[in-house]
Amino acid sequence: AQSVTQPDIHITVSEGASLELRCNYSYGATPYLFWYVQSPGQGLQLLLKYFSGDTLVQGIKGFEAEFKRSQSSFNLRKPSVHWSDAAEFFCAVGNNAGNMLTFGGGTRLMVKP
Amino acid sequence: DAGVIQSPRHEVTEMGQEVTLRCKPISGHNSLFWYRQTMMRGLELLIYFNNNVPIDDSGMPEDRFSAKMPNASFSTLKIQPSEPRDSAVYFCASSPNPRLAGKTQYFGPGTRLLVL
Repeated sequence: AQSVTQPDIHITVSEGASLELRCNYSYGATPYLFWYVQSPGQGLQLLLKYFSGDTLVQGIKGFEAEFKRSQSSFNLRKPSVHWSDAAEFFCAVGNNAGNMLTFGGGTRLMVKP
Repeated sequence: DAGVIQSPRHEVTEMGQEVTLRCKPISGHNSLFWYRQTMMRGLELLIYFNNNVPIDDSGMPEDRFSAKMPNASFSTLKIQPSEPRDSAVYFCASSPNPRLAGKTQYFGPGTRLLVL
């Protein structure tokens, strides 16, 4: 069975600081990996995804993530956080058939001015 | 292109009443998913359809929940009778044919349900 762990429930960073959100997954085959962002009262918006190829993936809003098979990780990064980045971030793993997404518990990001 | 459309956006009802949530997937997508989000359990997949056919409903909590997809552009999730513990945000998502265009799911804005 596939599973996703996001170890940090809450993270607070200062505006302009760098950000790394952790994601660890468990899946028997090559995973399909996603990061979604959810602003308060909104739906989930896709930030980026990894299917194959280059393990460093660029997404929207200046985010990137790196797939590390040896560590079963897909951490999300941003070099300089903006106040508008405050939201909840979800990592998800998809199965090969493309019909099942399993989400982590989410990490809530707060940005200090 | 319009994204996934859900209605209503907010619903307040009393225990025992029937609730119907609606979803219009992105045109051309052939998979549709219903999720529930709560503080306690996070995001849970309730059911998904492929080409209008329910494929896996193992996440549906109990018989009070039912979902239909009568055509490629419309799906409903019904709760009858509703209970306070059903209070949650319900998301609909759609996905194109994974063999043609990847496996990304696109989410609607959600329906926030409160059962009193």
